[in-house]
Amino acid sequence: DTGVSQDPRHKITKRGQNVTFRCDPISEHNRLYWYRQTLGQGPEFLTYFQNEAQLEKSRLLSDRFSAERPKGSFSTLEIQRTEQGDSAMYLCASSLGILGGRSSYNEQFFGPGTRLTVL
Amino acid sequence: KNEVEQSPQNLTAQEGEFITINCSYSVGISALHWLQQHPGGGIVSLFMLSSGKKKHGRLIATINIQEKHSSLHITASHPRDSAVYICAVNSRRNTGNQFYFGTGTSLTVIP
Repeated sequence: DTGVSQDPRHKITKRGQNVTFRCDPISEHNRLYWYRQTLGQGPEFLTYFQNEAQLEKSRLLSDRFSAERPKGSFSTLEIQRTEQGDSAMYLCASSLGILGGRSSYNEQFFGPGTRLTVL
Repeated sequence: KNEVEQSPQNLTAQEGEFITINCSYSVGISALHWLQQHPGGGIVSLFMLSSGKKKHGRLIATINIQEKHSSLHITASHPRDSAVYICAVNSRRNTGNQFYFGTGTSLTVIP
């Protein structure tokens, strides 16, 4: 396992279609994060999982977005009824979080991203 | 207002120049990270700081917790340093340690 992988790397879709992205984290990492980055901006937090539990969601994650991590390993991010404003790079990162209470800082390892273009 | 502000947004330097990128943040943090992003999107971690100073090769990162400010320095810059440099923080108000990012500094080093 050489790192975090994401699939697909590029996705072009028409407005109104549904899309699903996959992220495979580093195998022993229990935390998985999704971020979105629009052109010329820094990434923004969308949601994160600790094992299979989705523990926090940003207000950016509208009801058209859903993320899962069913077995605590890979994760999927689905966007329903895509809009042109959804066009962005979707980044996944994983980390070995410290369990229990308020954890200390930890390093995150990023995947290459999935670039979504909604026409 | 973004929790993390970076300056400058764009920077062009001649090869060999000393470069400084600044980051200011407005929230309590448990750590600050400097990240490098190359065209195509891949992000790699350069430094993770909670105090003081760290050095790795030609890169130096410093943080002043009282002033809520960090700097990334590149000595003897080289064209291969051309990339976007992003400052990110782990906010104390979140238990998940998710990152809050600056908008990035796009660095171009000219031979």
